[in-house]
Amino acid sequence: EAGVTQFPSHSVIEKGQTVTLRCDPISGHDNLYWYRRVMGKEIKFLLHFVKESKQDESGMPNNRFLAERTGGTYSTLKVQPAELEDSGVYFCASSQGTVFQGANVLTFGAGSRLTVL
Amino acid sequence: AQSVTQLDSQVPVFEEAPVELRCNYSSSVSVYLFWYVQYPNQGLQLLLKYLSGSTLVKGINGFEAEFNKSQTSFHLRKPSVHISDTAEYFCAVSDPDDYKLSFGAGTTVTVRA
Repeated sequence: EAGVTQFPSHSVIEKGQTVTLRCDPISGHDNLYWYRRVMGKEIKFLLHFVKESKQDESGMPNNRFLAERTGGTYSTLKVQPAELEDSGVYFCASSQGTVFQGANVLTFGAGSRLTVL
Repeated sequence: AQSVTQLDSQVPVFEEAPVELRCNYSSSVSVYLFWYVQYPNQGLQLLLKYLSGSTLVKGINGFEAEFNKSQTSFHLRKPSVHISDTAEYFCAVSDPDDYKLSFGAGTTVTVRA
């Protein structure tokens, strides 16, 4: 079974530019989550999709961030325009159910490292 | 929302020595607790989880953790580490009715020969 795939693995852009990160969840996983780790601090929740619907986007920092999951498969996270403080590692995760349901686990990707200069 | 404190940011340890990584969380009536590990250039991998039942939880790769409700702690231990245990370890917690994970800042374990 393929895991959660994220790309690019690393992106370096100038302040003011746009970057789009992509996440391919495990096939059949309806739940998709985005998390972010900024400057070696805590990994923080950004948002949660159930299929193509945004279930919870309370962690999105501001309106420069736009997440989509058209068709309920892969998801993209666009940052436009990027600022210096957006630098960090963006993790995607997927699960069949919500994380606390018994045998269900949250499977994470390797992350996309974003560097804004 | 829960907050998680990992008391050590860096833990150097010699091969075959024991290691303990400390994790404390803000109090709540009940919580679910997790330890994740990130090996270099890999994703976060679940080591173990506590949802209910026995307070001593065994995970993969010889790790175990003990849930202590009175101390609001969930410390991770391994009696004898290997070079391959070099990684960053994250403690995480969720409320039972909230699927979101709150993570600690991470502990980097460096195992030396």
